[in-house]
Amino acid sequence: NAGVMQNPRHLVRRRGQEARLRCSPMKGHSHVYWYRQLPEEGLKFMVYLQKENIIDESGMPKERFSAEFPKEGPSILRIQQVVRGDSAAYFCASSSTTGTEAFFGQGTRLTVV
Amino acid sequence: AQKITQTQPGMFVQEKEAVTLDCTYDTSDQSYGLFWYKQPSSGEMIFLIYQGSYDEQNATEGRYSLNFQKARKSANLVISASQLGDSAMCFCAMTFEGGSGNTGKLIFGQGTTLQVKP
Repeated sequence: NAGVMQNPRHLVRRRGQEARLRCSPMKGHSHVYWYRQLPEEGLKFMVYLQKENIIDESGMPKERFSAEFPKEGPSILRIQQVVRGDSAAYFCASSSTTGTEAFFGQGTRLTVV
Repeated sequence: AQKITQTQPGMFVQEKEAVTLDCTYDTSDQSYGLFWYKQPSSGEMIFLIYQGSYDEQNATEGRYSLNFQKARKSANLVISASQLGDSAMCFCAMTFEGGSGNTGKLIFGQGTTLQVKP
């Protein structure tokens, strides 16, 4: 039973480029969460999705960031026109039901140069 | 608004000894969940233990136990018989009901860096 899979593990982008981060939840999990971790800080919630629906995007920056979880395929976190301040570790977590243990992926470390 | 506070930026413990990591939380919800995760230097987030707000017994998972004091809104993690592999950043986190029910969204504290000395 594979865990939560995130790819790529490391991503380098130049300022102004687009970053696409992928997350495949654990088998049977329909709840996906994205978190961002800045250096030396805790994780901050960004968005919560179920299949084809954004449930809570209260932690998403208003511009340049979007997320989706299509009927087929992984969840995608998309950052357009990246800036240096977007450099961070982005974690995806999934759970089978809300309020129970969420399993985390290994994260994608985004570096904007 | 919900908030998690971890007041210890760093803790040292001798191998094989016990250590307590502090966590206090703030919420007006009656139903919530409390979690501890650790993040070793390799970067992944590893689940340690969970306590539900209605659970009367303190949660235990092997060498980990959660000292849940509801009236004081504290959820301290106790690690018995520390091992070198326990060295990591340790995060306290919570889920809560909110207006839409418990969505499973986690609010994290700032973390405590635990270092186990040989």
